[in-house]
Amino acid sequence: AQTVTQSQPEMSVQEAETVTLSCTYDTSESDYYLFWYKQPPSRQMILVIRQEAYKQQNATENRFSVNFQKAAKSFSLKISDSQLGDAAMYFCAYRSFSGSARQLTFGSGTQLTVLP
Amino acid sequence: DTAVSQTPKYLVTQMGNDKSIKCEQNLGHDTMYWYKQDSKKFLKIMFSYNNKELIINETVPNRFSPKSPDKAHLNLHINSLELGDSAVYFCASSPQVIAETQYFGPGTRLLVL
Repeated sequence: AQTVTQSQPEMSVQEAETVTLSCTYDTSESDYYLFWYKQPPSRQMILVIRQEAYKQQNATENRFSVNFQKAAKSFSLKISDSQLGDAAMYFCAYRSFSGSARQLTFGSGTQLTVLP
Repeated sequence: DTAVSQTPKYLVTQMGNDKSIKCEQNLGHDTMYWYKQDSKKFLKIMFSYNNKELIINETVPNRFSPKSPDKAHLNLHINSLELGDSAVYFCASSPQVIAETQYFGPGTRLLVL
């Protein structure tokens, strides 16, 4: 079974600064998908970014980018020019490429605080 | 337009009661899911379901049962509610194509007294 580990329960960043959230995972599969979801106080789960394991190029979405290290099984999220609206719980998630079960396996989350 | 909706958003009930949470998606997706988020914010899959297959997480008590009247709905029924069932329950959906992202509903906060 796959596991996802987020070793930083809490992080803080000054507004306009850059912060990196860590995520590692354990899997024996070679093809899979990785995601970062954001959960603000409203509780809504919002997709931030996703990465296909077969792609070497790191995914980027505006101020959000990932550092995907397949050999190290590491998938960190970098938020540039942090904004107050980025404050949320961030979850790293894994999804298998094969099989009929397509559920996400989540890490325990990192609570990000953005300081004005 | 809301893509994945859940009702109710809040549910407070007594131990031993039976309750249901409804989920509807208007995205035309083939697969739907139920996740449970506990008090420590940990999210865990409960069920995944499409037209052909129901996959149950083996740790889910059989007091929980998903029911799908049609492709756009996957309701969660809970019998004999227990204090430990208090959590936030999220419905999600995705297309059949495995590469596609899951879209989440707003969550239902269940409190069992």
